[in-house]
Amino acid sequence: TQLLEQSPQFLSIQEGENLTVYCNSSSVFSSLQWYRQEPGEGPVLLVTVVTGGEVKKLKRLTFQFGDARKDSSLHITAAQPGDTGLYLCAGGGNRDDKIIFGKGTRLHILP
Amino acid sequence: SQTIHQWPATLVQPVGSPLSLECTVEGTSNPNLYWYRQAAGRGLQLLFYSVGIGQISSEVPQNLSASRPQDRQFILSSKKLLLSDSGFYLCAWSRKGPDRKHGYTFGSGTRLTVV
Repeated sequence: TQLLEQSPQFLSIQEGENLTVYCNSSSVFSSLQWYRQEPGEGPVLLVTVVTGGEVKKLKRLTFQFGDARKDSSLHITAAQPGDTGLYLCAGGGNRDDKIIFGKGTRLHILP
Repeated sequence: SQTIHQWPATLVQPVGSPLSLECTVEGTSNPNLYWYRQAAGRGLQLLFYSVGIGQISSEVPQNLSASRPQDRQFILSSKKLLLSDSGFYLCAWSRKGPDRKHGYTFGSGTRLTVV
């Protein structure tokens, strides 16, 4: 069974600080996605990474896919209160179109 | 552009009552469709997914069922709700095939409280 472990589960930091959250697995994934979810809403796709070692940037967010395609990280530079939310990673396997989700990192940026 | 509609947004139902949540997708054809449940603002549990009309796969044995009567319509049902069915239900769609870059597009969710 493929599992995605996200860490930390909760993170509360001051506005302007940098942070990194992680998504790890013992399984290889063909792709990995990051979503952000706000309270009472569905998750929204931020990025998909498909190549081992790939790095993608979305404004102050930097996403990296591990060389072995088993893990990923999300780094936020100069966090802002608008970054507050639940960050979910999701991995796509080689069979069918289903993906599996980690349990998420709940991020709270204090103004 | 593609849109996904899910309703109702909030629902309070007594134990033992039936349930019907509906999800429709616009602007695409032959999508994969999914029902997820999310507990306490945490991870997503896949309940059902469908690759076509009438084709339903169940991931977790439970008190719920799903149907896909039309290509872009996905319905989550229960004949008799349990307290444990309370949660945040999300519908999602995705394109078929190995191209993952578009990911899943989620509806805005239904908050179900069974009392």
